[in-house]
Amino acid sequence: GENVEQHPSTLSVQEGDSAVIKCTYSDSASNYFPWYKQELGKGPQLIIDIRSNVGEKKDQRIAVTLNKTAKHFSLHITETQPEDSAVYFCAMDFGNEKLTFGTGTRLTIIP
Amino acid sequence: DAGITQSPRHKVTETGTPVTLRCHQTENHRYMYWYRQDPGHGLRLIHYSYGVKDTDKGEVSDGYSVSRSKTEDFLLTLESATSSQTSVYFCAISPGGTLYEQYFGPGTRLTVT
Repeated sequence: GENVEQHPSTLSVQEGDSAVIKCTYSDSASNYFPWYKQELGKGPQLIIDIRSNVGEKKDQRIAVTLNKTAKHFSLHITETQPEDSAVYFCAMDFGNEKLTFGTGTRLTIIP
Repeated sequence: DAGITQSPRHKVTETGTPVTLRCHQTENHRYMYWYRQDPGHGLRLIHYSYGVKDTDKGEVSDGYSVSRSKTEDFLLTLESATSSQTSVYFCAISPGGTLYEQYFGPGTRLTVT
């Protein structure tokens, strides 16, 4: 079925350390894997995305990796800063023109 | 902000009453979406629209209807609100559809008592 599991649900890291959030999925008919960041009281905002023909994409301190064989993709944040504290959602399409979101990870950066 | 407004931003209503939430965009994007956000469930798609008068169901469409008579407005209606529809509702827009960035509105917090 169309299911995406996101782990961990909460994550605390020291400022300056790295954070990794992973999503696994059950169906391989997917072409698009975005990550959204939601700050308190706001709507989600796209921070990075990757398509199925690429294994890794970087944008400054943020990177996403995709392993289609193992059916998982991950968000990597390096040199974390207090403003990185937020809820992060992975998402993906299952070939049906609709995005399915993970359940979210609350990331807290400890100063 | 990507030119999306939602109204009202907060609403408390009683079980059994009809409720309409409005999403308005100034970007003239073709695709518009309604999601609900609940703890432990992330964001779930209720309905979406790919053009004026063109709509389709999402994952959790039961109890909801939508209408889009103008490009800029997408209305979500709860015909008879139930307590299980207490949630935060987000509208999103996209210039190119599901496989492109979606821009989210600020959300509407709905409480059904």
